[in-house]
Amino acid sequence: NAGVMQNPRHLVRRRGQEARLRCSPMKGHSHVYWYRQLPEEGLKFMVYLQKENIIDESGMPKERFSAEFPKEGPSILRIQQVVRGDSAAYFCASSPSRGNTGELFFGEGSRLTVL
Amino acid sequence: GESVGLHLPTLSVQEGDNSIINCAYSNSASDYFIWYKQESGKGPQFIIDIRSNMDKRQGQRVTVLLNKTVKHLSLQIAATQPGDSAVYFCAENDPFSGGYQKVTFGTGTKLQVIP
Repeated sequence: NAGVMQNPRHLVRRRGQEARLRCSPMKGHSHVYWYRQLPEEGLKFMVYLQKENIIDESGMPKERFSAEFPKEGPSILRIQQVVRGDSAAYFCASSPSRGNTGELFFGEGSRLTVL
Repeated sequence: GESVGLHLPTLSVQEGDNSIINCAYSNSASDYFIWYKQESGKGPQFIIDIRSNMDKRQGQRVTVLLNKTVKHLSLQIAATQPGDSAVYFCAENDPFSGGYQKVTFGTGTKLQVIP
């Protein structure tokens, strides 16, 4: 599979539970980005990671949210103690290398619903 | 789709006509401006970009125009087809990100193609 893979595509959680969203970048890509899209809004940058390093987490809420991109395996976006306001589509994107042309390759997203 | 909401501006175009989607950007320092297409239930897909030292760039059926004087970006789609129905986002890069793809998205415009 050549594209960015995200799972699960849909996730339902009750308030207070944890949500884990996974992202495997495109083959050959070592840079991963997470974006959040709230209903009726555009995509908001959350975090940028390289293997084993968080480079820029300026868009991440200070509490309950964390991200990692281990040496082996997919990138994980973790939301602890979810609240209704966390309901959104979370998109992962990857890029092949450093570079700043604005071209990102997105996955199909993980849609989180908090009951 | 999840990216569409009541507050998204909507452009309705007859199949076969040309479409023009407009965007105002904010960061005069951006050196790349990008258009993404997001179909219902899917992730954003890169369409075309334009560097800040250009004022026009053409792709297949699409043309992007950049007016730096008024910070305006437009996407023109020739001979609009039903498959063009989607939400279109303009985006800009952050040239001071340190060499990675820090992309800021606009709010989006929904394009509806009338058969």
